[in-house]
Amino acid sequence: GENVEQHPSTLSVQEGDSAVIKCTYSDSASNYFPWYKQELGKGPQLIIDIRSNVGEKKDQRIAVTLNKTAKHFSLHITETQPEDSAVYFCAAIFTGGGNKLTFGTGTQLKVEL
Amino acid sequence: DSGVTQTPKHLITATGQRVTLRCSPRSGDLSVYWYQQSLDQGLQFLIQYYNGEERAKGNILERFSAQQFPDLHSELNLSSLELGDSALYFCASSVLPAETQYFGPGTRLLVL
Repeated sequence: GENVEQHPSTLSVQEGDSAVIKCTYSDSASNYFPWYKQELGKGPQLIIDIRSNVGEKKDQRIAVTLNKTAKHFSLHITETQPEDSAVYFCAAIFTGGGNKLTFGTGTQLKVEL
Repeated sequence: DSGVTQTPKHLITATGQRVTLRCSPRSGDLSVYWYQQSLDQGLQFLIQYYNGEERAKGNILERFSAQQFPDLHSELNLSSLELGDSALYFCASSVLPAETQYFGPGTRLLVL
């Protein structure tokens, strides 16, 4: 079935360090993988996305890598800042799934001073 | 601010009641999606509309229904409410199906 697994569920890093969150997906035909950041009391905010014809994408301190053979993708945040503290969700659109997003279970990132 | 608006922000009601949640997509977006976020189920897709037509259905209960109007705003109707329906309900929109989805701020529903 359509499934996205996300690890770790919680992640604590020191300010300035890097953070990595990993997701695996079940359907090799998936072709779109977004990442969302959700702050307390707010809706998910798209921070970066990647399509299956690309292996890596960067946007300032944020990067996403995709390994289609292994069916996993990762979010990398460098030089973390306290304002990066939030819950991060990976997601995928599965072929034949009607364009709905299937989400991972989320990672609570805490950036400590 | 994603450009997607949702009202109301908070809703408190009793079991057995019916409520309507409203969503206005970003300007120019034709597709609207509804998601439910609860502690035990995470973020779950409910239903999608594209230009007024139902496009896809997820784990949406029969007590729930939705529609998208000619001006492209959408409403999610929840009836015969149960305690377990308490959750955050998010609307998202995209220009076309399979394009990037932008989420609204959500409606927090509490059923007492």
